[in-house]
Amino acid sequence: EVQLVESGGGLVQPGGSLRLSCAASGFTFGIYSMNWVRQAPGKGLEWVSYISSGSSTIYNADSVKGRFTISRDNAKGSLYLQMNSLRAEDTAVYYCTRGGTGSYWSAFDYWGQGTLVTVSS
Amino acid sequence: QSVLTQPPSGSGTPGQRVTISCSGSSSNIGGNSVNWYQQLPGAAPKLLIYTNNQRPSGVPDRFSGSKSGTSASLAISGLQSEDEADYYCAAWDDSLKGWVFGGGTKVTVL
Repeated sequence: EVQLVESGGGLVQPGGSLRLSCAASGFTFGIYSMNWVRQAPGKGLEWVSYISSGSSTIYNADSVKGRFTISRDNAKGSLYLQMNSLRAEDTAVYYCTRGGTGSYWSAFDYWGQGTLVTVSS
Repeated sequence: QSVLTQPPSGSGTPGQRVTISCSGSSSNIGGNSVNWYQQLPGAAPKLLIYTNNQRPSGVPDRFSGSKSGTSASLAISGLQSEDEADYYCAAWDDSLKGWVFGGGTKVTVL
């Protein structure tokens, strides 16, 4: 069974940093691309970052460029999101998602339960 | 302001058919596949339709997707109470080099 379990969320002051982790199991982590998607309280979904299976390709949403860094450790089956210079508008539930393959490469076929990040003084 | 446009709400009585639209542009829906996600209250989103009209294993055939030009739609036939949820469309955007989502449509079963 595919499982994605996020951790590392919490309360942080504006301008602070936080590192999110996602532990993957139930599939061969190293052959799948991964993404972070977030959802502000009461709002819709927003894609944040993408990393290819071998980390050679990374994309970031304009809203987080220069502040967030996505990375992965295939040996550990883990995905990370280093978030710096946090702002109030980064407050959201952050979901770890698995990217599809082949013809459905653009789909996010499995999602974790999410971890809440609150940026407030 | 979402790049993809969805109606904020939709509703129907049990057994009815409900359709949700998703409008984009040539850089996203016009040139790439559309995927749909269902988010039940208090839960994480779940992939509902991929590559415009394909259903993952386990998704009832009451759910169907279609795409034409720069628009897509999700249809729910034989609406059931457990279909009450938020539905999101999404696609890769060639110009933005990233994924874009619709604002979401809340479906209510009357």
